[in-house]
Amino acid sequence: AQSVTQLGSHVSVSEGALVLLRCNYSSSVPPYLFWYVQYPNQGLQLLLKYTTGATLVKGINGFEAEFKKSETSFHLTKPSAHMSDAAEYFCAVKDDKLIFGTGTRLQVFP
Amino acid sequence: DTAVSQTPKYLVTQMGNDKSIKCEQNLGHDTMYWYKQDSKKFLKIMFSYNNKELIINETVPNRFSPKSPDKAHLNLHINSLELGDSAVYFCASSFTGTSGSGEQFFGPGTRLTVL
Repeated sequence: AQSVTQLGSHVSVSEGALVLLRCNYSSSVPPYLFWYVQYPNQGLQLLLKYTTGATLVKGINGFEAEFKKSETSFHLTKPSAHMSDAAEYFCAVKDDKLIFGTGTRLQVFP
Repeated sequence: DTAVSQTPKYLVTQMGNDKSIKCEQNLGHDTMYWYKQDSKKFLKIMFSYNNKELIINETVPNRFSPKSPDKAHLNLHINSLELGDSAVYFCASSFTGTSGSGEQFFGPGTRLTVL
């Protein structure tokens, strides 16, 4: 069965600092991987996805993620955090259904 | 031109009552889902319908009954509400084709509070 582990339930960064949110997956087949963002009191919005091809995937709002098969990782990064990036971030792997990680809350301090 | 919409956005009710949440998508997708997000933000799928047919039914109490009148609608009826049912319920939809990634589009959620 596929699974997702997000390391760190809370991440705090200063505005302008690098954002790194970690995600490791377990899958017996080539995975489809996703990052979703949830702003307060809103639904989930797709940030980016990896299916096949280029392992560095660019998403919305300046985020990107790199699929590393050898490390079974799909970490999310952004070079410079903005206050508006404060939200809950979910990594997910697709089996016959989407399996979500437990989420990482990103706080951005001025 | 909302893609996935849910009503109501907030639902406050007493234990033992029966309530329904409605979901509609205008994306032309063939698969719809219900998720439950608990107070710790953990998201878990409850049901999935493909072309009005139930294809995923996770371990959910049978007090929860989904109904899909057509591909664009998926409703969730909950009988005999319990305190533990308090959560945010999200509807989502996707196109489940062999060439697609099946990315899901989510509605804004329905916050259910059972008193």
